[in-house]
Amino acid sequence: EAGVAQSPRYKIIEKRQSVAFWCNPISGHATLYWYQQILGQGPKLLIQFQNNGVVDDSQLPKDRFSAERLKGVDSTLKIQPAKLEDSAVYLCASSSREFGNTIYFGEGSWLTVV
Amino acid sequence: AQTVTQSQPEMSVQEAETVTLSCTYDTSESDYYLFWYKQPPSRQMILVIRQEAYKQQNATENRFSVNFQKAAKSFSLKISDSQLGDAAMYFCAYRSASVNGGSQGNLIFGKGTKLSVKP
Repeated sequence: EAGVAQSPRYKIIEKRQSVAFWCNPISGHATLYWYQQILGQGPKLLIQFQNNGVVDDSQLPKDRFSAERLKGVDSTLKIQPAKLEDSAVYLCASSSREFGNTIYFGEGSWLTVV
Repeated sequence: AQTVTQSQPEMSVQEAETVTLSCTYDTSESDYYLFWYKQPPSRQMILVIRQEAYKQQNATENRFSVNFQKAAKSFSLKISDSQLGDAAMYFCAYRSASVNGGSQGNLIFGKGTKLSVKP
């Protein structure tokens, strides 16, 4: 079974530029999550989707971050304009109530804003 | 709101020895899940072990076992026969079992414990 796929793995941008990250969850997983992990901290949820609907985006900085999951499968997370404090690893994860409820993570996308 | 606390920023163990990582959590819910994830330098989160709150029996996975004390809200991880490959960050995480919008809750993480294994 293929795992959660993310791209790009690494990205370096200047502040005020934009960046987009892509995630393809495990096949059949209806729930998709985007987490932000700043160095030295635990991951923090940015947004949670159930199919193509948003379940929780209370911690998403909506003035600069946006995310979509239009067809209920893969998802894109965008940051525009980026700030220095956005430097982090962006982790995508997925889960399914039909497959044990465990949340599985991708390898993450490392963002450095200079 | 639920919180997860890991009070040991760093731990060290000798190869082949046993180490215990501590985790406490706070919740008013009765139905939930607890997890330990391992994060090597590659930063991918790897599931180590999970525990359902309604189960009294402690979960075990090969060399990894937990001590789940529901009344005390404690969930420690024991690693037996430690190996060099066990060196990593370990995160304790909580997940509500209640359903919102058709899906269960997201993971709430502690700050992590960095485990070093000495040869």
